[in-house]
Amino acid sequence: DIQMTQSPASLSASLGETVTIECRASEDIYSNLAWYQQKPGNSPQLLIYDANSLADGVPSRFSGSGSGTQYSLKINSLQSEDVASYFCQQYNNYPYTFGAGTKLELK
Amino acid sequence: EVKLEESGGGLVQPGMSVKLSCATSGFTFSDYWMEWVRQAPGKGLEWVAEIRNKANNYATYYGKSVKGRFTISRDDSKSIVYLQVNSIRSEDTGIYYCTRRKYWGQGVMVTVSS
Repeated sequence: DIQMTQSPASLSASLGETVTIECRASEDIYSNLAWYQQKPGNSPQLLIYDANSLADGVPSRFSGSGSGTQYSLKINSLQSEDVASYFCQQYNNYPYTFGAGTKLELK
Repeated sequence: EVKLEESGGGLVQPGMSVKLSCATSGFTFSDYWMEWVRQAPGKGLEWVAEIRNKANNYATYYGKSVKGRFTISRDDSKSIVYLQVNSIRSEDTGIYYCTRRKYWGQGVMVTVSS
């Protein structure tokens, strides 16, 4: 199975700051990677697919990049509504696998 | 509007079975691959299973921890996807989400306890 190593596990940032979350795959996943946001008590929401494509309705301050085994999610100009947990997921090989998640809080 | 609505959860005794359903609307269900993802209390997301569409022979795939015990199926005439859970264990406790990746249901809670 492909292992997804996500970092950091938790992150504290100020409003307006830029934050970056990273995911490393145990093998090449050819950009078959998604990022999800999950707020407490809610279902996950798709932010990014195919490593760098913004899902419909997602603010442009979210962006994804990467290739091969290294991927990142960047949030520009952090807003209060961005407080959430973030998960990466590879869908290159079965079984699909998620990263352990990053909990983003406001400083 | 796309809607996914899970049902069938609840309190289940270890070793027993439960069948989860996900009723969908707002899109051509038969065209899409469907998935189940679960989340143990306070934990991260775990991919459970996927079923492809008729054009892909309804192929099914499973996560390692559920393979052999869980069965995903679909009824295209009713736009419903199912998850049959057999020989249920305490570690199967959690919220089960039906998803089409961009769209997710609200989830259904399954609690395994005697």
